[in-house]
Amino acid sequence: KQEVTQIPAALSVPEGENLVLNCSFTDSAIYNLQWFRQDPGKGLTSLLLIQSSQREQTSGRLNASLDKSSGRSTLYIAASQPGDSATYLCAAANNNDMRFGAGTRLTVKP
Amino acid sequence: DTGVSQNPRHKITKRGQNVTFRCDPISEHNRLYWYRQTLGQGPEFLTYFQNEAQLEKSRLLSDRFSAERPKGSFSTLEIQRTEQGDSAMYLCASSLTGQINYGYTFGSGTRLTVV
Repeated sequence: KQEVTQIPAALSVPEGENLVLNCSFTDSAIYNLQWFRQDPGKGLTSLLLIQSSQREQTSGRLNASLDKSSGRSTLYIAASQPGDSATYLCAAANNNDMRFGAGTRLTVKP
Repeated sequence: DTGVSQNPRHKITKRGQNVTFRCDPISEHNRLYWYRQTLGQGPEFLTYFQNEAQLEKSRLLSDRFSAERPKGSFSTLEIQRTEQGDSAMYLCASSLTGQINYGYTFGSGTRLTVV
C-alpha cells in the first residue's frame, strides 16, 4: 500500500524567502505525482502534475521535481509571498487512485 | 464546464439521520473519486468509478456508506445513520484516463457536521 509522507508538517518563513517542501512515497510504481494547494476550509487546487516519465515541472514561481527511484518529490517556491500561505499536499497516483500526504502548512510572514 | 461541482457546501445533521451529497464531475472525465478529509490530515480515498462502474472501495467505506454514479455522469454519496465520527470534509474529484493521465481535478468539498 502506498504511503506518502510530507516534511515538514509546518513551516513559517519571512516574505521573500525561497523554500522547499518535501514529499516521499514508498511505492515507486506511480503514474504521476501531483502537488495541490489547500486554503482553510476549501477544496484542493492543483499546482503541478509530474508524469512518471518526467523529472520536473515549472509554473511561475513553483518548481516540482520527481525522483521515482528514491521515492521523492520536492516543491520549490521562489520569492515567497504572504498569499502563498496555505497547506500544500502532495499525492502519488497509480492506475486506480491517488494517495495523499498529510500536508505542509506554510505561513509566509509579511 | 467550470470544473467539479459539489453540493451542498455545508451540511449539519443530527446523529442517526441520513445524508446525501452530490458531485458533478467535468463532463468529459470518465473517472470520479470520493475522498474524506479530517482536520489536519490529507484526504483519504473512499471509492472510485470508471464511467458507471464502481471499481474500488476502501475499507473506510463502511456498510453505512453507499455511492452511485448512474449513467456515468454525476455521483451521489449517501451516509446512513450518521455518527459523530462521520464529521469531515467529503471531497470529489474527476479525471480523464487514457494513454496519459492528466491528474485529478477536485471540487470544493462538502463539509459535514454531525451533532
